[in-house]
Amino acid sequence: GENVEQHPSTLSVQEGDSAVIKCTYSDSASNYFPWYKQELGKRPQLIIDIRSNVGEKKDQRIAVTLNKTAKHFSLHITETQPEDSAVYFCAASKPGGYQKVTFGTGTKLQVIP
Amino acid sequence: DAGVIQSPRHEVTEMGQEVTLRCKPISGHNSLFWYRQTMMRGLELLIYFNNNVPIDDSGMPEDRFSAKMPNASFSTLKIQPSEPRDSAVYFCASSSTVGTEAFFGQGTRLTVV
Repeated sequence: GENVEQHPSTLSVQEGDSAVIKCTYSDSASNYFPWYKQELGKRPQLIIDIRSNVGEKKDQRIAVTLNKTAKHFSLHITETQPEDSAVYFCAASKPGGYQKVTFGTGTKLQVIP
Repeated sequence: DAGVIQSPRHEVTEMGQEVTLRCKPISGHNSLFWYRQTMMRGLELLIYFNNNVPIDDSGMPEDRFSAKMPNASFSTLKIQPSEPRDSAVYFCASSSTVGTEAFFGQGTRLTVV
């Protein structure tokens, strides 16, 4: 089955700096890569996703990049703000009739004011 | 739509008791997932259903855990008998096979004493 590894497990940055979280996946058939943000005590919520036919996608201060050859993808947050502090999960899923999503282990991001 | 609805939000039970967690997926979604989240293991997929049929239950930790989906709008996760190590937050999520984003419920925080 699919295996998703995520690094780092914790990340502290100064407000205004950039944060980068990296993930690798094992199944070359995976073609959908969502990122979820989970604030303390809340549910995970999708913040951005990318499909395998695209190398990069941006949404304001958030961007994701995908390298299918190397089977890794990254989340980039620029101009970080205290409200970006949360746990971020990457995930991967394969095409087919069933949308099983495999999650990474999460990165706890702390933005220091 | 009200989103994925889980009940109860919090459950405290004594070791050995039966626990039933409930989930109502988003109307029209035909994939449903049960996840368990702990500090040690992160977000683990326990089981997922497609069109009410269990597709992959390899994440179910033991025979004490069982899940059902009697119809498209309701699923249960049962633990019998419960043990202290089952204490965790249990999330239910649903997705459409057309789209792939998984929408999470607010979770059930289970404490087994």
